[in-house]
Amino acid sequence: GAGVSQSPSNKVTEKGKDVELRCDPISGHTALYWYRQSLGQGLEFLIYFQGNSAPDKSGLPSDRFSAERTGGSVSTLTIQRTQQEDSAVYLCASSPGPRVTEAFFGQGTRLTVV
Amino acid sequence: AQRVTQPEKLLSVFKGAPVELKCNYSYSGSPELFWYVQYSRQRLQLLLRHISRESIKGFTADLNKGETSFHLKKPFAQEEDSAMYYCALKGGGSNYKLTFGKGTLLTVNP
Repeated sequence: GAGVSQSPSNKVTEKGKDVELRCDPISGHTALYWYRQSLGQGLEFLIYFQGNSAPDKSGLPSDRFSAERTGGSVSTLTIQRTQQEDSAVYLCASSPGPRVTEAFFGQGTRLTVV
Repeated sequence: AQRVTQPEKLLSVFKGAPVELKCNYSYSGSPELFWYVQYSRQRLQLLLRHISRESIKGFTADLNKGETSFHLKKPFAQEEDSAMYYCALKGGGSNYKLTFGKGTLLTVNP
């Protein structure tokens, strides 16, 4: 079937607004990862889900960031009161399970905060 | 804590020259190591993993536990190898966090 799908592809928002980024993993994949990709910083780990639970939230940069996953499928990353430093490409990846080593990436959401 | 270090942000070589992209890691257990690649305007994708001991597109990488390194090598670079390369580490046991380095942009010149 289809690969990992992220929406929107691009999002421009005003500073202070809230945004929601969506990730549709590959069907049946239980592990889901969120990363932030910015110039010079590489891939910054944000959060990881196994099913609906998040064993590791250590990468969320502040309490303005939150993520949830429902039904073991779709995940939403929410950024409240966006700041200019939040501008980046947000990548989602899924994997069949934690013991399966390959992660499949989406095309990303490019977030620009103006 | 798990950490991946790629010391070179940029690497430029000529076609046909050997190339080595460096990766060092820090992890207390037995990690799994990977190389991911992102070609221009394409998604990030897996290139190879250490447990498979495979050669993909002429690239190989050997896990050196003594030096905690997982350098990516190719004897003869091709122009189509130009891309962003990321080294990644996945913890073992109950830790399945996948951590990436900051990446190395490889440019192969004609």
